[in-house]
Amino acid sequence: GNSVTQMEGPVTLSEEAFLTINCTYTATGYPSLFWYVQYPGEGLQLLLKATKADDKGSNKGFEATYRKETTSFHLEKGSVQVSDSAVYFCALIERSGNQFYFGTGTSLTVIP
Amino acid sequence: EAGVVQSPRYKIIEKKQPVAFWCNPISGHNTLYWYRQNLGQGPELLIRYENEEAVDDSQLPKDRFSAERLKGVDSTLKIQPAELGDSAVYLCASSTGQSYNEQFFGPGTRLTVL
Repeated sequence: GNSVTQMEGPVTLSEEAFLTINCTYTATGYPSLFWYVQYPGEGLQLLLKATKADDKGSNKGFEATYRKETTSFHLEKGSVQVSDSAVYFCALIERSGNQFYFGTGTSLTVIP
Repeated sequence: EAGVVQSPRYKIIEKKQPVAFWCNPISGHNTLYWYRQNLGQGPELLIRYENEEAVDDSQLPKDRFSAERLKGVDSTLKIQPAELGDSAVYLCASSTGQSYNEQFFGPGTRLTVL
């Protein structure tokens, strides 16, 4: 079956620190991979995506590379800001389907 | 462009009471999803519509949950009767339905069952 495993939080970092949130997946086919972000009181917003192996998704300073050999899609940012405080969800969707499979989410708090 | 609209944003009810949630997807989005997000968890799909047809409702607890999408636009998700374990955030999302297409999420309805 399909599943997504994220590193557990919460994660607390100081402003300008380096961020990594690990994500690995299991899929029966060849999925597309996503990172969504959920700010307090809001719905999920797409942060970035990658649709094939070795693709790098990037947005707002965040990056993630689709690694088929390690079935991973780790989220990174070189210098976090207080405004990055949110919950981050890794997700996949199979080529043949329309259903997203989400990880459990990783809460990030950035302190000044 | 207006996003996915959901109402109400918050709902508190006593167990055994009925409750309904409403969703208005982005204009032109044929596919509509209802998810349930328990505290500290990722969203889990309840039902997916293609236009007015429910094409995937395998995760919907049909003994107490029902949904409809009349005319293939707005959708309503109902719980009757609600149980304590139904407390969660109910998210609606929409997309154009093509593979890989981004799903756009509404802000959700936070349900508390007392």
